[in-house]
Amino acid sequence: QSALTQPPSASGSPGQSVTISCTGTSSDVGGYNYVSWYQQHPGKAPKLMIYEVTKRPSGVPDRFSGSKAGNTASLTVSGLQAEDEADYYCSSYTGSHNLGVFGGGTKLTVL
Amino acid sequence: QVQLQESGPGLVKSSETLSLTCSVSGGSMTHYYWNWIRQPPGKGLEWIGYVYSNGDTNYNPSLKGRVTISLDTSKNQFTLNLNSVTAADTAVYYCATEDLPWKGFDPWGQGTLVTVSS
Repeated sequence: QSALTQPPSASGSPGQSVTISCTGTSSDVGGYNYVSWYQQHPGKAPKLMIYEVTKRPSGVPDRFSGSKAGNTASLTVSGLQAEDEADYYCSSYTGSHNLGVFGGGTKLTVL
Repeated sequence: QVQLQESGPGLVKSSETLSLTCSVSGGSMTHYYWNWIRQPPGKGLEWIGYVYSNGDTNYNPSLKGRVTISLDTSKNQFTLNLNSVTAADTAVYYCATEDLPWKGFDPWGQGTLVTVSS
């Protein structure tokens, strides 16, 4: 299965909102509601930020939100803060044989 | 809250077998999927495979034939074996868990860097 498509980079100023896209196909993102988003700071393990497209795990600020339209999922970070600067990865279930796929990652820079 | 910790050699010779263990603390291994995920230096995430608490396994087709993941609930551990390694297998290896496949990996171990040398 091919990796999901994410923009290599995104940026925004403190306090602004930024949206990161994750594009797949009807066989993954568009076909299932198992889309997740992960935040990874340099040298650290990824951290789950969004699961099942829109749900936030306990402890994740409500500045982080997820959505999906067709074959594209999106992560929106509102009220950008310096600590939001990190790499973000999406993932999706592909349905076939309980397999899934990650996106290539997006480096978010807070200007 | 479940915590995961990877352990194993940081250096493996080309053509040999990479073996890593993930130790699970703070919770039961029952009814969960136990995953290995890797990240080559400077690159993105690649799912390797999982073992379910009943011993069922599932692997990334791109690695099938080289990978085995096993479970030892008596020791609260699961293990990754990847054979015939090459430089392309150099990566940070993470273990992670979830209650349904691809629902969301949480939590993750801190990761361990494995370098394949020639």
